[in-house]
Amino acid sequence: EVQLVDSGGGLVQPGGSLRLSCAASGFTFSSYAMSWVRQAPGKGLEWVSAIIGSGVSTYYADSVKGRFTISRDNSKNTVYLQMNSLRGEDTAVYYCAKTLVRGGWLPMDVWGKGTTVTVSS
Amino acid sequence: EIVLTQSPGTLSLSPGEGATLSCRASQSVGSSYLAWYQQKPGQAPRLLIYDASNRATGIPDRFSGSGSGTDFTLTISRLEPEDFAVYYCQQYGNSPFTFGPGTKVDIK
Repeated sequence: EVQLVDSGGGLVQPGGSLRLSCAASGFTFSSYAMSWVRQAPGKGLEWVSAIIGSGVSTYYADSVKGRFTISRDNSKNTVYLQMNSLRGEDTAVYYCAKTLVRGGWLPMDVWGKGTTVTVSS
Repeated sequence: EIVLTQSPGTLSLSPGEGATLSCRASQSVGSSYLAWYQQKPGQAPRLLIYDASNRATGIPDRFSGSGSGTDFTLTISRLEPEDFAVYYCQQYGNSPFTFGPGTKVDIK
């Protein structure tokens, strides 16, 4: 069974850092791009970042560019989101998601349950 | 950045009725790289349609997608009780891979 387990969320002060993790199982992890998508309380979905299967190419939303870094360790079947200089508007549930097609960037056909990040003093 | 606009914001319908949801892009979406997702409260999104008109695995045939360029439509032929949810479109033709604001389909 294809499964994604996202973790690492919590309460952090403005300006702080947090690293999210997403452990994958049930598929050939290195063949698929992975994304992070977030959802602020009561709001819609916002795509945050994506990384290709090999890890050599990444994309970011303008709202996080320069502050967040996506990476992956294919030996551990895990994708990460390093979040620095966190702001109140980064408060959200963060979902990791797997792309549908090998070699493609999106869309996302399998999602984790989400991990909650709260930025507050 | 491609901006997606969804209409209507809310659709109030009864079970058994049909639903038509619209997604309009601020510029042409390359290769019809547009997806539709369904999200219920407290749950992760679920992929329904990709490449504008292809149903994802396990999605009932009452869901269909159409469109190209800047105008896309999700049609639900006959609403089942489990279809009342929020629906998002997303373009993946160009980064950033933006979502629309969503259409809520609720029970009349």
